[in-house]
Amino acid sequence: QVQLVESGGGVVQPGGSLRLSCAASGFTFRGYVMHWVRQSPEKGLEWVAVISPDGSQTSYADSVKGRFTISRDNSKNSVFLQMNNLRAEDTAVYYCAKDLLYSVFGSSFLEYWGQGTLVAVSS
Amino acid sequence: EVVMTQSPATLYVSPGETVTLSCRASEYVDDKLAWYQQRPGQAPRLLFYDASARETDVPDRFSGSGSGTEFALTISGLQFEDLATYYCQQYYKEPPITFGQGTRLQI
Repeated sequence: QVQLVESGGGVVQPGGSLRLSCAASGFTFRGYVMHWVRQSPEKGLEWVAVISPDGSQTSYADSVKGRFTISRDNSKNSVFLQMNNLRAEDTAVYYCAKDLLYSVFGSSFLEYWGQGTLVAVSS
Repeated sequence: EVVMTQSPATLYVSPGETVTLSCRASEYVDDKLAWYQQRPGQAPRLLFYDASARETDVPDRFSGSGSGTEFALTISGLQFEDLATYYCQQYYKEPPITFGQGTRLQI
């Protein structure tokens, strides 16, 4: 069965950095679009970033553009989110999610979600 | 970006009831609309895609409908396990995909 397991969350000071990882199993990882989505009480569910199956194309929410970078390692069935210059408003549970889309770049609905990892930005 | 608006924010329900949750898009999204269920402490779970296509293992007491800008999720014969927050998401005009703020079902 499909499993997505996030890691790397924690408490970080404003201006700091964190790198989130998501380990995938149970499907042909290299073929699928992958996303990061975050959730906070203030903003609800907020899409963060998306990456194409081969990692060559990415897209970001305006709120994180220039600060966050999504990447993937298909040899390790993993997707990552490098978060720099973190702000208090980045505090959220971060989920990685598998898109329906196979072998093309774009975004549709999110078939499977991990359990999330909590990022807290606080001094 | 397409703004998704769900109503009501909270719905007080009783087991056995039939309830309808609404989702409105700020512009046309065809039938590119998904519904998710999120129980407390859990990740969202896909229920429907393409507005009315039920995901595997979703009970048939759940139904999705609508197109264009108006959508609905109906739960017939509500059960305790259905107490959760429900979110809609559009994927017609992306990026970004956008979510509604959720409707919470409470007793």
